[in-house]
Parts: sequence; C-alpha cells; structure tokens
Amino acid sequence: DTAVSQTPKYLVTQMGNDKSIKCEQNLGHDTMYWYKQDSKKFLKIMFSYNNKELIINETVPNRFSPKSPDKAHLNLHINSLELGDSAVYFCASSLLGQGPYGYTFGSGTRLTVV
Amino acid sequence: DQQVKQNSPSLSVQEGRISILNCDYTNSMFDYFLWYKKYPAEGPTFLISISSIKDKNEDGRFTVFLNKSAKHLSLHIVPSQPGDSAVYFCAASKGGGSQGNLIFGKGTKLSVKP
Repeated sequence: DTAVSQTPKYLVTQMGNDKSIKCEQNLGHDTMYWYKQDSKKFLKIMFSYNNKELIINETVPNRFSPKSPDKAHLNLHINSLELGDSAVYFCASSLLGQGPYGYTFGSGTRLTVV
Repeated sequence: DQQVKQNSPSLSVQEGRISILNCDYTNSMFDYFLWYKKYPAEGPTFLISISSIKDKNEDGRFTVFLNKSAKHLSLHIVPSQPGDSAVYFCAASKGGGSQGNLIFGKGTKLSVKP
C-alpha cells in the first residue's frame, strides 16, 4: 500500500556501469519527479514528467535518462556511472494544478559508485 | 546559487520548549512555501505550507510565519516533542504551489531532548 515506491533502496556499483532505478506511484497523480540529494544535502530537481511528457529537465548530464512508460511510473537510467553520481535519489509525485500540498516522496535510493 | 537558504544545519531543543527553524529565500517570484519533515531512511513528508498572500498559517503545534519584505519564513513547533526530531526542509515554488519544481533548502536537523 506504499504510495510512492522506489527500487532498489540501496545500490552499490562500479564506475562505468549502467544502472536503473524504478519508481511507481499508486496515488493517481499525473506528475512525477526525480530529485537528487548530494553530499551537501541539497535536494535538487532533475526531471519532471506530466502524463508521460517531460516538463522539467534541469542541467543534468545526458548519461541520465528518465523514462515514463505511463503516468504511474518514472524510471531513471544512468549510463557510465561516475563517482560524483553517488547520492540519494528521491522520486516524488503530485497532481499538477491541484492543491498546494506539494509532493509525496518515495523513501529514496542510496546510490554508491565505487 | 541557493534560492532557498537554511543557514542553521542543526538545532537542539529541550522537550516542551519552542523550536524555531528559519529559512530565507532570494527569488521574489516565489509565491508558495512549504516545510517538509524527513526521518532517516525515509523520504521527506509534507508538514505545513503558506501562500505568499498570508503571513501566518497554523496547524496544531506547527505554525509557519512569512515575512515577505524580509524574504524570510520560520517554522515554530510548540511544544516540541522527541518525535519531532528529524531534518526539516524549507521549500518554495512559483505558480501557487500547484506547479512543479519545488526548490529546497539544505535542511535543518532538529534534535528534541527529553
């Protein structure tokens, strides 16, 4: 019954590998986001999709590619992982245009690149 | 450039006393502000919000104050309880909070001691 679920919760991988993080929400929201919390603790927006369409794409290396097969899913694929990609990645969802209550976040995926 | 700043990384308060968490912002286009609470190994959860047309919003033990001229907001928790110990993120948005892309501060870790 988890509202926004991310898998995996922890991911340790070597530099140069390609990995994916999956996110699913069962709230009926139409917009999903990926945020990155780096070592300095900032939570920064990476991408946002509304009804499977990309609406926010911050300055993120092309090695990061989001994919939204439907409005309940937003996956993040990362190619050629680098040490600096180590961070906690949070998925979130909301109903765009409805209500000022912000987002519902997943519990995060801690990615460690070694 | 940090558009949302939480200059105190940590705050320690005795149980039963008031906790005051501060947040400053630089973008005068922000018109909606939110506070999120985050426990370890969990995603941030929405706590309370305020529109720029108000200067105060109260919800139980939590009150948010907004000073637009100073571009400053604060979260008051009275009385503080040990269960309030968490990291508190201030966030801001444009578009009445209904649009995407919340901008977060770095967070303040609150410790409430019994």
